[in-house]
Amino acid sequence: DIQMTQSPSSLSASVGDRVTITCRASQSISSYLNWYQQKPGKAPKLLIYAASSLQSGVPSRFSGSGSGTDFTLTISSLQPEDFATYYCQQSYSTLPITFGQGTRLEIK
Amino acid sequence: QVTLKESGPVLVKPTETLTLTCTVSGFSLSNARMGVSWIRQPPGKALEWLAHIFSNDEKSYSTSLKSRLTISKDTSKSQVVLTMTNMDPVDTATYYCARILSGSYDSYFDYWGQGTLVTVSS
Repeated sequence: DIQMTQSPSSLSASVGDRVTITCRASQSISSYLNWYQQKPGKAPKLLIYAASSLQSGVPSRFSGSGSGTDFTLTISSLQPEDFATYYCQQSYSTLPITFGQGTRLEIK
Repeated sequence: QVTLKESGPVLVKPTETLTLTCTVSGFSLSNARMGVSWIRQPPGKALEWLAHIFSNDEKSYSTSLKSRLTISKDTSKSQVVLTMTNMDPVDTATYYCARILSGSYDSYFDYWGQGTLVTVSS
């Protein structure tokens, strides 16, 4: 199985900060990398698909980049509603699908 | 409007078999670009993918749980069913079903159910 490793595991930041979360795959996954946001008690929400495509309705302050094994999710200017847990997920050509362990973004 | 909704028992005993149903609306389970996965999340822990069923009825399972899982679908009822045998307290989790949308160069979960919390306890 392809292992996905996110860093950091948790992060404290302030409103207005620029934040970057990284995700590394144990082997090349081309651009088959997606990012989700999850708030407590809620289902995950798709933010970015195919490494850099913004899902419809998601604010433009979210962006994704990378290919191969290294990927990043960037929030350009944190808003109060962005404090949540973020997961990366690979869907390379063959299953199984795997998620990263999550990055908890907290208010400083 | 696309929706998915999980249903099933909230409490199961150790060694019992769990059966969960995902009822979908707003799309067809026979759509070639779409499939449904089951994903779980123990309290305070990360997401774990369990199983997937494609429109052509092809199935795929988590490597570590493969021996305990069975996924199936009834297209006419718009339902996807997951069974997990020999339940253990460590299987206590919120279980989600989610739609996967696949293209030539991408594949992602675009819609999720609200999740159902299953507790395993005697």
